[in-house]
Order: sequence, then structure tokens, then C-alpha cells
Amino acid sequence: GQQLNQSPQSMFIQEGEDVSMNCTSSSIFNTWLWYKQEPGEGPVLLIALYKAGELTSNGRLTAQFGITRKDSFLNISASIPSDVGIYFCAGPPAGGGSNYKLTFGKGTLLTVNP
Amino acid sequence: DAGITQSPRHKVTETGTPVTLRCHQTENHRYMYWYRQDPGHGLRLIHYSYGVKDTDKGEVSDGYSVSRSKTEDFLLTLESATSSQTSVYFCAMGSLDWHGEQYFGPGTRLTVT
Repeated sequence: GQQLNQSPQSMFIQEGEDVSMNCTSSSIFNTWLWYKQEPGEGPVLLIALYKAGELTSNGRLTAQFGITRKDSFLNISASIPSDVGIYFCAGPPAGGGSNYKLTFGKGTLLTVNP
Repeated sequence: DAGITQSPRHKVTETGTPVTLRCHQTENHRYMYWYRQDPGHGLRLIHYSYGVKDTDKGEVSDGYSVSRSKTEDFLLTLESATSSQTSVYFCAMGSLDWHGEQYFGPGTRLTVT
């Protein structure tokens, strides 16, 4: 089946640093989604991207839909302790007939040292 | 996400017993999903529904069944729970006029002893 390769698997950074993570696939995606999951909670949608090349921000978060439609990037600027969590990329692969099923990356575990 | 709840939030059960998890949404979304999340495997789709009484299997459906008699409710049943079904279960919803976004519930932690 489709796979999303997310990297890095984990990051340990100091408060105030910028963070960058990415997702790649061998297949084209119609939409790229970025979720954050905190311990004991469900994933929360942070950013959705719909067009190749699109750059979208949500506060200190910025995400980009790769031009090839096979990758996406998430950046977090000036990290704070509450940014801690697991960040997942996800999307519906193109050519699957519909957008109703998602493929998920394995996640990037972010730890922020105050 | 607001508008989608799961019950119970935690459950401990014995091997061989039936278990039903409930997902309830108030957004009138057409699509609903059940996932399980396990270390090393990430989120895996168990079953999904594309309307009342319309359901289909996901990638890890063995040992699970679902029912959707109303738009707002999606039930996941483990007919005879096994230890391998110990996991965190998430429900999600998504509507027809969307581009893939799914909104997740808070999860149910199930332990089968």
C-alpha cells in the first residue's frame, strides 16, 4: 500500500529554536495534512494544504505542499514547551478514486527543553 | 476535535468477552472511521463508514465489526476480545465536500487481560 516516510523520527530541541520536519512519498497526493497529537489525546489537525506549491501558516507553524506533490514540509518557529507532541503528516493518495481514506506517516516526536 | 466524542475513554476487559466502543458526532458528517494506534505501527484503519448502514473494511479489520444505524453514531465491536486487541482506538469523521481532512475523537484505551 501507500507509504509516507516522515523524518526525523524524533527531535530534542531547546526552547526558542526553529524546527523542521518533512514527509515524502513515492506516490502523488491530492492533499497534505499535518496533525499534532499530545499524550492521551487524539490527533488535532493543524494545517491542510490543497495545491502543489502552496505555503500555509497557522501562527508559528508553516507548511508547504511540495511542487512534485510527493512531499510536504512543516516548520515551527521559536518553539515553546507546549509544542511537545507527535506530529503526523497524512493525505489521501491521488488516483485512489476518492479522498475518503488517508495514509499516515509514523510521526515525529518533538521534545522541547525549557 | 469538538463535535466528536468516544465512550468509554478507558476499558479493561477479559479475553473472550465482547466489547463495544461508541463514537458520537454532532457535525452531521457523512464519513466516519475507526483506527487503532500501536507503538511502531502508527494509525491503522480498522473500518470506515460512508453513510448510514454503509461500511467497509480497512487494513486491520479481522476480529472487528462495525455498525452505523444513525449518522451520528458509529459503533466498533470486538466480538471476542483478544490480548492483541489491546490498543488505543480512535474514531474520526470527515464530510463529502472535503479534501481529505479527518477530525479525531479523544480515543479509547482498551486493555484486554
